[in-house]
Amino acid sequence: EVRLLESGGGLLQPGGSLRLSCAGSGFTFSSYALNWVRQAPGKGLEWVSGISDSAVTTYYADSVKGRFTISRDNSKNTLYLQMNSLRADDTAIYYCAKATTPAVTRAYFDYWGQGTLVTVSS
Amino acid sequence: SYVLTQPPSVSVAPGQTASITCGGNNIGSKSVHWYQQKPGQAPVLVVYDDSDRPSGIPERFSGSNSGNTATLTISRVEAWDEADYYCQVWDSSSDHCVFGGGTKLTVL
Repeated sequence: EVRLLESGGGLLQPGGSLRLSCAGSGFTFSSYALNWVRQAPGKGLEWVSGISDSAVTTYYADSVKGRFTISRDNSKNTLYLQMNSLRADDTAIYYCAKATTPAVTRAYFDYWGQGTLVTVSS
Repeated sequence: SYVLTQPPSVSVAPGQTASITCGGNNIGSKSVHWYQQKPGQAPVLVVYDDSDRPSGIPERFSGSNSGNTATLTISRVEAWDEADYYCQVWDSSSDHCVFGGGTKLTVL
């Protein structure tokens, strides 16, 4: 059974930093691209970032480029999202989503974690 | 950047057919994927590559894509189909994944 388990969310002040993790199991972790998708309270889905199977290529939404960094450790079956210079509008549930291909481009997401809540507030 | 437009809400009586549209410039040239999300839960893929269904998704769910509109069709709607539905594409011109704004399906 494929499982994605996010962790690392919490409450922090504007300007702060946080690192999210997503542990994968039940599939060959190193063979698939992975993505972060977020959902602000009461709002729709917003793609945040994606990383290819071997971490050679990464992509970012314009809203987070330069502030967030996606990475993965295939030896630990773990995906990360380093979030810096956090703002109130980064408040959201952050989901880890598995792609069906090694590449991020043209991917869709067949498995999702349950999400971790990040709240940015003073 | 590429924009996907969905109606905010669609209502349908049980047993009837629901159609949820997703509009985008020449969306027919892209592969469209659809997700269902129920309150407090993660999204679930219900249609991929315009019209294919993942295993475990009922045949009542189908999709089409042509011109400037993609459509998710749910036949013989049941109460448990009530959820938010999102379309998604990859925009190769910006190398961004794009989601539509979502449509809340209400079963009357």
